[in-house]
Amino acid sequence: DAKTTQPPSMDCAEGRAANLPCNHSTISGNEYVYWYRQIHSQGPQYIIHGLKNNETNEMASLIITEDRKSSTLILPHATLRDTAVYYCIVRVARRDDKIIFGKGTRLHILP
Amino acid sequence: EAQVTQNPRYLITVTGKKLTVTCSQNMNHEYMSWYRQDPGLGLRQIYYSMNVEVTDKGDVPEGYKVSRKEKRNFPLILESPSPNQTSLYFCASSTGVSRGLTDTQYFGPGTRLTVL
Repeated sequence: DAKTTQPPSMDCAEGRAANLPCNHSTISGNEYVYWYRQIHSQGPQYIIHGLKNNETNEMASLIITEDRKSSTLILPHATLRDTAVYYCIVRVARRDDKIIFGKGTRLHILP
Repeated sequence: EAQVTQNPRYLITVTGKKLTVTCSQNMNHEYMSWYRQDPGLGLRQIYYSMNVEVTDKGDVPEGYKVSRKEKRNFPLILESPSPNQTSLYFCASSTGVSRGLTDTQYFGPGTRLTVL
């Protein structure tokens, strides 16, 4: 079973910030939080990941709560091309780790 | 360009006819894996490989085989395909989360398989 819980769908107006939540209350100390997205049957695309500090890259920001039980992916200025299913994943930092994809959040960007 | 390639991209076959879906990566990654994606079920891992000659079952390995004779290639083999293996398949590769490295998985473009 996936170790994360995400809302099944969300809407966001184009140009606004999209904030996608993820709960991972059973996360272990050595597990990272990863975010991927999948645009209509294409291969999942890596967005960002973090351990306990907030992270930012050219695509998004990742905010992880201090207790690490939840996180938020922020797309600062959503465009129509950001319409996709977003997956929040936790992974153990060892060689036999397994990636488990849940059902993700379907993000609709509204024009 | 760093990439994962899969072939074929689309395949229609009949029950029982052995097939192989190839996967190749040019990033010298140790870790490779196969997933299938079905409506309402999300992505499920079929098999993964931590390195050459090292493979292990994922969550849904029944009916599939894999091999890892070379680092860059990780073919998925369906010895006797059945209609319930009709799905969208993705191959992925990554460095793996080890030796202080953090990991990014790169996914292939997908193979849409239909078994009649």
